[in-house]
Amino acid sequence: QKEVEQNSGPLSVPEGAIASLNCTYSDRVSQSFFWYRQYSGKSPELIMSIYSNGDKEDGRFTAQLNKASQYVSLLIRDSQPSDSATYLCAVNMSPRSGNTGKLIFGQGTTLQVKP
Amino acid sequence: GAGVSQSPSNKVTEKGKDVELRCDPISGHTALYWYRQSLGQGLEFLIYFQGNSAPDKSGLPSDRFSAERTGGSVSTLTIQRTQQEDSAVYLCASSDDRAGETQYFGPGTRLLVL
Repeated sequence: QKEVEQNSGPLSVPEGAIASLNCTYSDRVSQSFFWYRQYSGKSPELIMSIYSNGDKEDGRFTAQLNKASQYVSLLIRDSQPSDSATYLCAVNMSPRSGNTGKLIFGQGTTLQVKP
Repeated sequence: GAGVSQSPSNKVTEKGKDVELRCDPISGHTALYWYRQSLGQGLEFLIYFQGNSAPDKSGLPSDRFSAERTGGSVSTLTIQRTQQEDSAVYLCASSDDRAGETQYFGPGTRLLVL
């Protein structure tokens, strides 16, 4: 079993719709979770970080974390063609929140937003 | 320019040659990471430096790979006797421990081994 799993997609949504990206992870002690966006040929850029169960909203983006189910998701409201990219879920499997450490990345989900 | 920088941006080499990839982290960042991304794949952790602590080398795929970080700043990733399967984008990231684990990535070095 992979440590961090994502559906590779592509996930295709029409412009203006909600895009839902999902990620599961294997290590129950994980404390820190991240969503990165990567445009083709570019390096990843951080969109959201989440550390506590529940929802965290930032503009059109909402991250959701459920540690009991070992599940983290990213919702993108009012999707735009410019949101078309690969979204990488990353987990810091250190048991101590705030301890800088290596991230384990999922394979990424490709999102296509069609005009 | 306050971001992470990497050089060269592209490197083409012949199988069996050694290559060195350089990373300049954001000034003041104590942690530095190297990742590898093969075409269409996610990021694969290679090595992590944190301050003066011994590096976490658990992701290095073979003993042909090594990295060092001089003076707590610039890092060099060295691949000896390159193989075609080493072809990938090598990404460096840095983070400030005080700000949590947010990692900021450089533009990467695209390595092609012929």
